[in-house]
Amino acid sequence: QLQLQESGPRLVKPSETLSLTCAVSGGTVTNSGYYWAWIRQPPGKGPEWIASIYYTGSSYYNPSLRSRVAISVDTSSDLFFLRLRSVTAADTAVYYCARQEALVSFYFDYWGQGTLATVSS
Amino acid sequence: EVVLTQSPATLSLSPGDTATLSCRASQSINTYLAWYQQRPGQAPRLLIYDSSNRAPGIPARFSGRGSGTDFTLTISSLEPEDFAVYYCQQRFNWPHSFPFGPGTKVDIK
Repeated sequence: QLQLQESGPRLVKPSETLSLTCAVSGGTVTNSGYYWAWIRQPPGKGPEWIASIYYTGSSYYNPSLRSRVAISVDTSSDLFFLRLRSVTAADTAVYYCARQEALVSFYFDYWGQGTLATVSS
Repeated sequence: EVVLTQSPATLSLSPGDTATLSCRASQSINTYLAWYQQRPGQAPRLLIYDSSNRAPGIPARFSGRGSGTDFTLTISSLEPEDFAVYYCQQRFNWPHSFPFGPGTKVDIK
């Protein structure tokens, strides 16, 4: 059974960089049928797609966040990562990592449990 | 960019009722729409993809239909675990954008 687990600091100061890791188990990030994605959800709001990456390193970003976001993947460890620079209170959210189907539908079919990242001084 | 709107914002029903949720796109998105369920404290779960295809393991009481700009998720005979928030998402503009709708909360009447 595929599992995804997010990890990273729960509290980040304004203007600093939020760094998150997603560990994939029960499967591998090198599976050619899938992207690996980050999605966030501010408290009380709907989800927002942040970025997606293929195991080759090809990546796609939400245009509204592109200037501050970097997604990367480590195929040797089945990990992928998110870095969000210059954070503000508006970046406070539950951050999810997810598997994204890459051949036909492109939707998110497996999700991690999420990690709440709070931006505050 | 295609904008999704969902209605109603809240739907108050009883177990055993049928829920009908709507998602409307600001322009035609073919059948490129998915529905997710989110229970409190949990991650969203994919229910329906490309308008009418149930994801693996999703009960038959969940059904989707629609094309173009108007889409519907129907939940027949609501079970207690179905009371949750439901989001639609469109992939028409993928990979340039991949937005979710604002959600419909189905709560117990």
